[in-house]
Amino acid sequence: GENVEQHPSTLSVQEGDSAVIKCTYSDSASNYFPWYKQELGKRPQLIIDIRSNVGEKKDQRIAVTLNKTAKHFSLHITETQPEDSAVYFCAVRQGAQKLVFGQGTRLTINP
Amino acid sequence: GAVVSQHPSWVICKSGTSVKIECRSLDFQATTMFWYRQFPKQSLMLMATSNEGSKATYEQGVEKDKFLINHASLTLSTLTVTSAHPEDSSFYICSASAGNTIYFGEGSWLTVV
Repeated sequence: GENVEQHPSTLSVQEGDSAVIKCTYSDSASNYFPWYKQELGKRPQLIIDIRSNVGEKKDQRIAVTLNKTAKHFSLHITETQPEDSAVYFCAVRQGAQKLVFGQGTRLTINP
Repeated sequence: GAVVSQHPSWVICKSGTSVKIECRSLDFQATTMFWYRQFPKQSLMLMATSNEGSKATYEQGVEKDKFLINHASLTLSTLTVTSAHPEDSSFYICSASAGNTIYFGEGSWLTVV
């Protein structure tokens, strides 16, 4: 089955700096790559996603890049703010919308 | 927008008892729903795929006789944790798709004492 690896597990950056989180996957047939932000005890919130026919997507301070050949995709957050502090998960969809999640990254923005 | 609702939000049960968690799609029909479990400081792990009108598909290592899934209608899937033990204490969350969008329930905290 699909294997998703996410790095780093923890990331601490200064407010205003950029944060990058990376994920690799194993199944070349996967075609949908969302990123979620999760507050403690709450449901994951979709922050950005990309499909396999696109290499990059941007939404204000958040961007995702996809390299299908290398089977990895990355989340980029620019001009980080304290409210960006949370746990972020990448995910990969295979088959009939079954999501496989990465291990998660705890992002801390230091004021 | 489409909403997936879970109930209860949190539940405490005694060891050996069973507890049922409901997942409802409120304004759309979902032939497939997914159940995840998340232990503290860990990722969401898919437990099973709930299929309306047929048996659920369980992920490797998930005991189907312990985690009973019923998807009797296009808007409701239930997860029953049978003979619960303290190690079953976790955050359980469901998801369903409307078109290309995936929606998550609010999640249910289960504590087994």
